Amino acid sequence: NAGVTQTPKFQVLKTGQSMTLQCAQDMNHNSMYWYRQDPGMGLRLIYYSASEGTTDKGEVPNGYNVSRLNKREFSLRLESAAPSQTSVYFCASRERQGVIQPQHFGDGTRLSIL
Amino acid sequence: GENVEQHPSTLSVQEGDSAVIKCTYSDSASNYFPWYKQELGKGPQLIIDIRSNVGEKKDQRIAVTLNKTAKHFSLHITETQPEDSAVYFCAASRGSGGYQKVTFGTGTKLQVIP
Repeated sequence: NAGVTQTPKFQVLKTGQSMTLQCAQDMNHNSMYWYRQDPGMGLRLIYYSASEGTTDKGEVPNGYNVSRLNKREFSLRLESAAPSQTSVYFCASRERQGVIQPQHFGDGTRLSIL
Repeated sequence: GENVEQHPSTLSVQEGDSAVIKCTYSDSASNYFPWYKQELGKGPQLIIDIRSNVGEKKDQRIAVTLNKTAKHFSLHITETQPEDSAVYFCAASRGSGGYQKVTFGTGTKLQVIP
């Protein structure tokens, strides 16, 4: 009963490098989300996918791209990493968008950009 | 947009005492208020939630109260135990055009002293 699985758990990049963060859920959820968590700022939404085949910008999308590969998987890509993108990234899923339900979170990817 | 303020940012209690965390929100259209517990190195996990048509909800040692008029909601943990030590996040959620927008508070680090 894995829930939401994120890989990798830790990563160190140099400025300008690219990287893709992977997320997969096994709950047959339709909606998936990417958040970043910074000290004192709570969780901020980067992108979301209401259903397979759709993606939309959240609160802080600049510098990121996403791909909803299939119903299970939702990846986040940093094309040219910057130190300001050092953060903990969380993927979440929900059964359906627009419905009053909680989100289920993965355990995060801790990303440092030097 | 929605703004969620959470207080206190840190809270230390003796084992067996009660802990209270308070949140205020700005958008009167918010209709769902989940609380998440985040342990070190883990993702946020839902511990209790409340909808806007309910004033109070209880689950064993955890309770949440909602005052829609004053736009604030609170988490109450009774008979605290060392395993309650974690960071707690409140959130306010509303539906808009099929998208359930979630705004998180900045978190409260709870320390239960044995």
